[in-house]
This record gives sequence, structure tokens and C-alpha cells, in this order.
Amino acid sequence: DQQVKQNSPSLSVQEGRISILNCDYTNSMFDYFLWYKKYPAEGPTFLISISSIKDKNEDGRFTVFLNKSAKHLSLHIVPSQPGDSAVYFCAGQEGGSYIPTFGRGTSLIVHP
Amino acid sequence: SAVISQKPSRDICQRGTSLTIQCQVDSQVTMMFWYRQQPGQSLTLIATANQGSEATYESGFVIDKFPISRPNLTFSTLTVSNMSPEDSSIYLCSVGTLNTIYFGEGSWLTVV
Repeated sequence: DQQVKQNSPSLSVQEGRISILNCDYTNSMFDYFLWYKKYPAEGPTFLISISSIKDKNEDGRFTVFLNKSAKHLSLHIVPSQPGDSAVYFCAGQEGGSYIPTFGRGTSLIVHP
Repeated sequence: SAVISQKPSRDICQRGTSLTIQCQVDSQVTMMFWYRQQPGQSLTLIATANQGSEATYESGFVIDKFPISRPNLTFSTLTVSNMSPEDSSIYLCSVGTLNTIYFGEGSWLTVV
């Protein structure tokens, strides 16, 4: 039973346009959500997070939106750059836990 | 964030052999974890490495197959025992703060 679902295994976007990566979750105990980026042959790197008491968090070109009622979050990258091409993992975490639950990832390709 | 170093970064292993992966962190951390990412799959937690005591394994992972040591707050090892091709994976060391975990570069193991 996947508690975190990233239903799009891949996404292709033109440079300069917006990339929207989606994530759905089923565990209503999650109160913190994270996004990680992973390049081939490297470990995942933390990108951005959001607490369940917020519906938006922004960091430069990256914005995460949270819709608790729909149990859905999304990562927006504007404008997309070729260097953003990577696998993006969404994760949910219960309060007080140090251990997030990850989705399977979405591979983003940004074309020049 | 802590600097997490893993070695080996990659290896090709013979079926039936065992390999130990080392993880060194540049600062003392309480929470250390070992993850696995099989091709096309999510980041799956193997175990929490507990300093001075036995690791806490997740469902589906056992100590005989994945023995873990944690002699101090900056170092841990994961051994993959009696390897089979199904163990071909990226193995990731990670450290946890309350709301974020950070990963090492990963150890890519291919079992032939």
C-alpha cells in the first residue's frame, strides 16, 4: 500500500516554462512534506518542504503547494532550466517522526 | 546540513559474497538510517542505525542479511550479505533532523 503516490513517472518540459510535479498521499497523519531531487549517480538532495499548517512555501524558483483536503501536493518550478533535469521524490512525514515515506519519483526532463 | 561520505561509491560483486558499506558523517548525529533504492523504485528504509545497540529493521529486512554497526555518533556500516542479483541497488546512508533527512552520495552495487 503506497502511502505516497507520484503517478507520473516522467515529465518533459521546455526550458523557461513551468514544471509541475504532482504527489498524492493517503496517510492523514502526515503533517510535514518534503521534496528531494536526485541526479544520476548521486544521493538525493533536499529541495523544499512544507508544514501541514501552510498551503504554500516558496524558495526561489521552487514553490510547493499543499491541498490537505485533497491530500495532494505539487512542486512548481518556474522557470524550468536544463539543470533541473533529475528525478524528484515527494515524501510525507508524521509529526515527531524522523522518517519520511517516499513516493517512487518523477523523472523531469527539461529540454533546451 | 551534515556532510555524509560513503564508500565504496560503486562496486561489482560476485553472487554469494558480502560487502560492507561505510558511512562517515562530519558531525555527531543522533539519527542515522540506511535506505535502498532499487531500479525504478522508491527510497526504501532498511533500518535505523542505533548507536551502541542493535539496529531497528523495517519490515522485510533482517539482521542476518543486512547487519549494521554504529559504534559512535559519526560512523556506521551496512553489510549486504550473501548477495544475489536482486540486491543490485543503490544503498544510501542518511542522517535525520526533526523535519528533514540528508543523504550521502550512495553506494551503487551490481551483483553478477
